[in-house]
Formats: sequence, C-alpha cells, structure tokens
Amino acid sequence: AQTVTQSQPEMSVQEAETVTLSCTYDTSESDYYLFWYKQPPSRQMILVIRQEAYKQQNATENRFSVNFQKAAKSFSLKISDSQLGDAAMYFCAYRSGSGAQKLVFGQGTRLTINP
Amino acid sequence: EPEVTQTPSHQVTQMGQEVILRCVPISNHLYFYWYRQILGQKVEFLVSFYNNEISEKSEIFDDQFSVERPDGSNFTLKIRSTKLEDSAMYFCASSEGGLTYNEQFFGPGTRLTVL
Repeated sequence: AQTVTQSQPEMSVQEAETVTLSCTYDTSESDYYLFWYKQPPSRQMILVIRQEAYKQQNATENRFSVNFQKAAKSFSLKISDSQLGDAAMYFCAYRSGSGAQKLVFGQGTRLTINP
Repeated sequence: EPEVTQTPSHQVTQMGQEVILRCVPISNHLYFYWYRQILGQKVEFLVSFYNNEISEKSEIFDDQFSVERPDGSNFTLKIRSTKLEDSAMYFCASSEGGLTYNEQFFGPGTRLTVL
C-alpha cells in the first residue's frame, strides 16, 4: 500500500520570504500523480499544484513550485514571496496511475505566515 | 465558479443513531467521493461512486456505511448506527472523470460529533 509522510507538523515563515514543505512517499508503482492541497481555516481543500510522475520537469504555479525527486520519492513544495493568505494546512497526496481513484494523504503541515 | 456544497456544516448525534450527510457535487461531474478526517489525523478515503454504484472503497467503509445518489444532484453518506469513533470531519469531493489527472474538488466538510 502507498503511504505519504509529512514530517513537519508545523512551519512558519516571515511574510515575503520563501518556505519549503517536505513530503515523502512510498510506492512500488512507476505511474502515479502527486498533489499538494491547501486547507485554509474555512476547511475547504483546494488543489495547489500537481505533478505527473512521468514528467521530469518540476511543476510550477505562480509562486508555488515543487521539487520532485522520483528516485528519492520526495515531493516538496516551495512557496515564494509568502503572503498572509498562504496560511493554511498543506496536505501532500498521492494517486495511483493504475486506475484507483482514491487520494492518499499525508498528515499535513500547518503553515503560519508572520507579518 | 462551481463548487461542491455540503449540508449540514455540523451535525451532533447520539451514539447508535443514524445520520445522513448530504453533498451536492459540481453539476457536470460524474465521479463522487467521501473522505473523512478524524481530528488531528490524516484525511482518509472512504468510498468512490460512479454510474450509481461504488467503484472503490476502503476498509473503513464497512456495513455501517452506505452511499446513494437519490436524485440528479445529491450524493449522500449514511451511517446506520453511529459510534463514538465516527466523530470526524467528512468531506465530499467530485471529479469530471475518473482518470488520474482529473482533479477532485472538495466541499467544505461536515463536522460530525457523536455523543
């Protein structure tokens, strides 16, 4: 079974600085997708960024980028120019490429932005 | 922008009672999901539903749980006889398709408290 681990329960960063959230996963599959979801205090999870395992190029979405290390099974999220609105729980998630539909989530990292 | 909605936002029930959690997925989506998050723990997959039948379920989704799409818009999760350990946040999600790259859109969640 696949597992996702986020080893940082909490992180904090100064506004306008850069922060990196860590995620590792375990799988024997070669085809899969990885996701970062943001869960603000309103509790609705929002997709931030996704990475296809077959793509070597790291995904980017504006201020959000990932460092995908397939061999190391690592998938970190970098947030540049942190803003107060980035404060939230961040979940790393895995989805198999075999047709299984479920997302497997990590424990989450609570990100605090200090003004 | 279309979004997934869930009602109620908070449900309090007595142990042994039946509860029905309701979700309205995004209108053109065909795949529907339920996840739960016990306080302080990971978000866990419960079940996925397509074409009026369960397509995938986890070991958590035992005989106490059932899902239904009673009409063209609602998607429900029923817990027949609630237990204390069913207290959690329950998230509904929907996606346009069932393929790995299809984004799952999440609702705001229903907090279930079992007394």
